[in-house]
Amino acid sequence: GESVGLHLPTLSVQEGDNSIINCAYSNSASDYFIWYKQESGKGPQFIIDIRSNMDKRQGQRVTVLLNKTVKHLSLQIAATQPGDSAVYFCAETPYGNNRLAFGKGNQVVVIP
Amino acid sequence: EPEVTQTPSHQVTQMGQEVILRCVPISNHLYFYWYRQILGQKVEFLVSFYNNEISEKSEIFDDQFSVERPDGSNFTLKIRSTKLEDSAMYFCASSERSGNQPQHFGDGTRLSIL
Repeated sequence: GESVGLHLPTLSVQEGDNSIINCAYSNSASDYFIWYKQESGKGPQFIIDIRSNMDKRQGQRVTVLLNKTVKHLSLQIAATQPGDSAVYFCAETPYGNNRLAFGKGNQVVVIP
Repeated sequence: EPEVTQTPSHQVTQMGQEVILRCVPISNHLYFYWYRQILGQKVEFLVSFYNNEISEKSEIFDDQFSVERPDGSNFTLKIRSTKLEDSAMYFCASSERSGNQPQHFGDGTRLSIL
């Protein structure tokens, strides 16, 4: 998916630093959340997911935090690498089924 | 690693023409989806499909749209009479099971309506 013309919040981060990407979700009934990474010309790539009965989940170099009180989701990337440069989307399931509702996306630019 | 594949990568069609977008979901997955992303907008859900029938569709998925699983591997989205506003990236996705499962996406078909 191209980002030409898409005005996205942009996070510029130095290579090796940690990145934090935030997402405010809309529906308190959502019980499942996913972070996707989208590189230019490619589809959304699954990174990590979390269910509403958890508040933290860790993967390889990534951590997702869920704060249901304020309906906030964050993705932390440790030791950011140039290959992490992409648009990151959070998605939720507000309808209690398989239908994903995507957020607007955050552009991450890694500075070598 | 298994992946969802979509063809063509780019489709240019005259307004009013029919178009078929093709997808091969991951082989052991049972649930299939179509999403679209109009330039500058969010990724939007169109339809989900299971056991050879639509399980859910959004308000975008009107009578001009249809989906089909013509054989054991392909999953298609047909737009009968395309409109200019159908121009978008169309993504196919699949998941192994229903309910709180990650959906895996293909790289999309860019549909351009002239």
